[in-house]
Amino acid sequence: EDQVTQSPEALRLQEGESSSLNCSYTVSGLRGLFWYRQDPGKGPEFLFTLYSAGEEKEKERLKATLTKKESFLHITAPKPEDSATYLCAVQAPDSNYKLTFGKGTLLTVNP
Amino acid sequence: DADVTQTPRNRITKTGKRIMLECSQTKGHDRMYWYRQDPGLGLRLIYYSFDVKDINKGEISDGYSVSRQAQAKFSLSLESAIPNQTALYFCATGGTAFYEQYFGPGTRLTVT
Repeated sequence: EDQVTQSPEALRLQEGESSSLNCSYTVSGLRGLFWYRQDPGKGPEFLFTLYSAGEEKEKERLKATLTKKESFLHITAPKPEDSATYLCAVQAPDSNYKLTFGKGTLLTVNP
Repeated sequence: DADVTQTPRNRITKTGKRIMLECSQTKGHDRMYWYRQDPGLGLRLIYYSFDVKDINKGEISDGYSVSRQAQAKFSLSLESAIPNQTALYFCATGGTAFYEQYFGPGTRLTVT
């Protein structure tokens, strides 16, 4: 069974204080690892897809990296508008295109 | 206009009532999904469909049914709503050329 564990559950940062969110996964082969951002009461917003270990993707202050067992979402010099829940999901080749989600990390960036 | 729309956005209903949640998309994607989200439990897949003739159960399909009326429309029904179906419901779509999914804005359902 595919499993995704995200840590920490919640993270408070001061504006400008860089940090990382972790996503550990167990999957029978990895087709892709996905990061989403979710604001309260809204639908998840797609950020990145990572396909193989060593791959990195960047968008503004966010950078996602991937190893064979985990992914990190690095947030550089965060701003209050980066406050959201960040979700990680994996997809296995035999999953029939289904995603398995972690429970998310709630990030709060204080001004 | 939004690519994935859900109606209604909020609904309060009583135990035992039948309710339908609707999802429409203009993205031209073949795959459509219904999820529910509960605090502490994350997103869980209810049903998914690859085309109008292909419907598949997800991990928590009991108490739910779906209908794929067209490529662009996918409806979720609760035949007899119960309080533990109170949750946020999301529709998502996916294409054949990529693996990520794109989510709608959600429906907040409360069953009293």
